[in-house]
Amino acid sequence: DQQVKQNSPSLSVQEGRISILNCDYTNSMFDYFLWYKKYPAEGPTFLISISSIKDKNEDGRFTVFLNKSAKHLSLHIVPSQPGDSAVYFCAASFLNTGKLIFGQGTTLQVKP
Amino acid sequence: GAGVSQSPSNKVTEKGKDVELRCDPISGHTALYWYRQRLGQGLEFLIYFQGNSAPDKSGLPSDRFSAERTGESVSTLTIQRTQQEDSAVYLCASSLVTGSGNTIYFGEGSWLTVV
Repeated sequence: DQQVKQNSPSLSVQEGRISILNCDYTNSMFDYFLWYKKYPAEGPTFLISISSIKDKNEDGRFTVFLNKSAKHLSLHIVPSQPGDSAVYFCAASFLNTGKLIFGQGTTLQVKP
Repeated sequence: GAGVSQSPSNKVTEKGKDVELRCDPISGHTALYWYRQRLGQGLEFLIYFQGNSAPDKSGLPSDRFSAERTGESVSTLTIQRTQQEDSAVYLCASSLVTGSGNTIYFGEGSWLTVV
């Protein structure tokens, strides 16, 4: 049972344009959502997070939007840069546990 | 150490052999996690340690898999009688405390190939 889903395995955008990465979840009890970025041969690194009580969190070029009624979150990167090319994982967690449930990942390619 | 350290970085083993993977978490981090990523798939939770509490083993795929942690220090993931489907990168992570919103920091992974 895949509780966190990233239905797009890949995304390609032009440098300078917006990248939108999507994630859907099935469990309405999740109370925290996170995005991680992974380069080849490296471990995932934390990018940005959002509490379930909020609908938007912004950090520089990165903004995460949460739509609880649709059980959907998205990561917006604007403007996209070639260095953003990586695999992006969304993850969800419950209160009082650090265990993260990850989606399958979306490979983003930003073309110069 | 400055980050989560894992060893070996690469391991090739014959089917049926046992392997041990080691993780040194960030100093002071009370929570430690093991995940794995098989080729073309997402990150799969295996096991989670938090202080002296009983570990959450709900993600271990079979009884061939086990993990130990010494206090709030090193952890070892053991895979007995390895199978080809065990081939994956095994990622260890740690966090300062448990609870939502606490960032977990990953190591670079141990790449296991079972031939």
